Amino acid sequence: AQSVTQLDSQVPVFEEAPVELRCNYSSSVSVYLFWYVQYPNQGLQLLLKYLSGSTLVKGINGFEAEFNKSQTSFHLRKPSVHISDTAEYFCAVIPYGGSQGNLIFGKGTKLSVKP
Amino acid sequence: KAGVTQTPRYLIKTRGQQVTLSCSPISGHRSVSWYQQTPGQGLQFLFEYFSETQRNKGNFPGRFSGRQFSNSRSEMNVSTLELGDSALYLCASSFNNLNTEAFFGQGTRLTVV
Repeated sequence: AQSVTQLDSQVPVFEEAPVELRCNYSSSVSVYLFWYVQYPNQGLQLLLKYLSGSTLVKGINGFEAEFNKSQTSFHLRKPSVHISDTAEYFCAVIPYGGSQGNLIFGKGTKLSVKP
Repeated sequence: KAGVTQTPRYLIKTRGQQVTLSCSPISGHRSVSWYQQTPGQGLQFLFEYFSETQRNKGNFPGRFSGRQFSNSRSEMNVSTLELGDSALYLCASSFNNLNTEAFFGQGTRLTVV
């Protein structure tokens, strides 16, 4: 079975400061990794994903994430946040090689950017 | 290109009633997945359909069911509603059954009173 742990439920940060949202996963098989963002009263939007290749992936809105297989982590970073980045962020995995193709989500991290 | 459309956006039902939610995927997408989002349990997978066949099902009681039509539109049904079924129900569509590029709708907010 797979599980995803987002280590911080809430992260307050000032505008233009850097931010890191942490994500660890547990899986007996290899996984694809994702970060999604959810704005209030909206669905989920894909920020970035790691399928294979370079372990540093860049996404939309200036976000990037690094896959670390030995630490089973996929932390999300942004060097300078804006007020508009205030949202909830979800880390997710899909195990590959099997029949299960659904996303398995972490509990989410609420990013609050203050002026 | 239109996104994933879920209807209705908001719904209020009484305990014991049943409800049907609808999801129209992005044109050309054949995979539709449903998720339940609550403050306590987070995002939980309900089921996935690909080309009208249920490919995968999450750990939910039999009161939760779904189907997919030949045009890839999907519906989910919840019978004998309970207060705990109050949630945001999200639908996601993908071109293939790998779901590595899933697009989500805005969701249906169901409130059971």
